[in-house]
Amino acid sequence: DAKTTQPNSMESNEEEPVHLPCNHSTISGTDYIHWYRQLPSQGPEYVIHGLTSNVNNRMASLAIAEDRKSSTLILHRATLRDAAVYYCILRERNEKLTFGTGTRLTIIP
Amino acid sequence: ETGVTQSPTHLIKTRGQQVTLRCSSQSGHNTVSWYQQALGQGPQFIFQYYREEENGRGNFPPRFSGLQFPNYSSELNVNALELDDSALYLCASSSKGQGNYNEQFFGPGTRLTVL
Repeated sequence: DAKTTQPNSMESNEEEPVHLPCNHSTISGTDYIHWYRQLPSQGPEYVIHGLTSNVNNRMASLAIAEDRKSSTLILHRATLRDAAVYYCILRERNEKLTFGTGTRLTIIP
Repeated sequence: ETGVTQSPTHLIKTRGQQVTLRCSSQSGHNTVSWYQQALGQGPQFIFQYYREEENGRGNFPPRFSGLQFPNYSSELNVNALELDDSALYLCASSSKGQGNYNEQFFGPGTRLTVL
């Protein structure tokens, strides 16, 4: 299984941007980069995904390095509701999601 | 649009018993995946069902089995329960066959405790 490396935890102030890094040096050409987040006492929730180009949606932006060995999830203006564990995942062609331990994001009011 | 639902919410069993967990997929979805999440860990893929057949399996023993029904709902069965099976069991539905964009929608999970 392709592996990702994320910091165990991060803190950010409310209403400021948050940059969550992810390293995936063994990524293959067909692996999609997915981000999910898990709020307390809930199942994971899809955030964003991409292959090569940077992506934007209503929740976040995904910046992918040119060599695809790393990516960054950007929350443009963090709110208290964004406090969660964020998982960076390389999705294989068979659609299996291989979760790591993720980054626990704490938002400081 | 109804989301993914799972039942029961919580369950307590003893070692050696058998358990069945249920999942109703989101309307329009034809694929169900099951994950096990131990405390403090990320979810681990158990298996996936597509059109009533197993379509991929993670590193779990055969005592973990599943079913998918014609309405795309699914069951996860675990036989001969062990203490280490205590975890949150998550079901996720998606819609295979619509290109590469097939976001998985997760249910709230079933918390299984094995004593």
